[in-house]
Amino acid sequence: AQSVAQPEDQVNVAEGNPLTVKCTYSVSGNPYLFWYVQYPNRGLQFLLKYITGDNLVKGSYGFEAEFNKSQTSFHLKKPSALVSDSALYFCAVSVNTGFQKLVFGTGTRLLVSP
Amino acid sequence: NAGVTQTPKFRILKIGQSMTLQCTQDMNHNYMYWYRQDPGMGLKLIYYSVGAGITDKGEVPNGYNVSRSTTEDFPLRLELAAPSQTSVYFCASRNDQGKHTEAFFGQGTRLTVV
Repeated sequence: AQSVAQPEDQVNVAEGNPLTVKCTYSVSGNPYLFWYVQYPNRGLQFLLKYITGDNLVKGSYGFEAEFNKSQTSFHLKKPSALVSDSALYFCAVSVNTGFQKLVFGTGTRLLVSP
Repeated sequence: NAGVTQTPKFRILKIGQSMTLQCTQDMNHNYMYWYRQDPGMGLKLIYYSVGAGITDKGEVPNGYNVSRSTTEDFPLRLELAAPSQTSVYFCASRNDQGKHTEAFFGQGTRLTVV
């Protein structure tokens, strides 16, 4: 079955420091990977996706993600964290089983301290 | 530019009551989805639709029903509410023109069954 795993329930980082939120995937065939962010009491917002091409994908709000095929990973990164980045982050894989659906990881809460 | 709109935002139901969660989108997307979000569990797919008049079950459909009479609307019906249906429900839509497009989410409906 196609799946993604987010091994950390929470990541803590100080403002100004780099941040990484981890995601690994298990898919048959080519992986189509997404990152979404959820702010409190809001729906999920799309950050970025990897379909093909360059392994470093740039997205919204200064986030980027590195696709690593040998490690089956798609980690989300930002060079300098902001307090306003504190939110719940979801990794997802797009699967095509007759229709396209997103399969989500369990989410990682990012807490950026001032 | 409304995107995906869900109503209500909050609701408390008694066991055995019924209700309909409304979802409408103004992006002319054919794909629409209902997810539920439980703490530590990520998002689970309840039902999906690939176009008006076409719906199918996702991973956790028991206790729910949907209809899709128009492209814009995709209501989710709970017939006999149970405490296990306490959750946050998200509606999403997606452009099916091109593969693996990103999904747009509503702000969610927080449902408590007591």
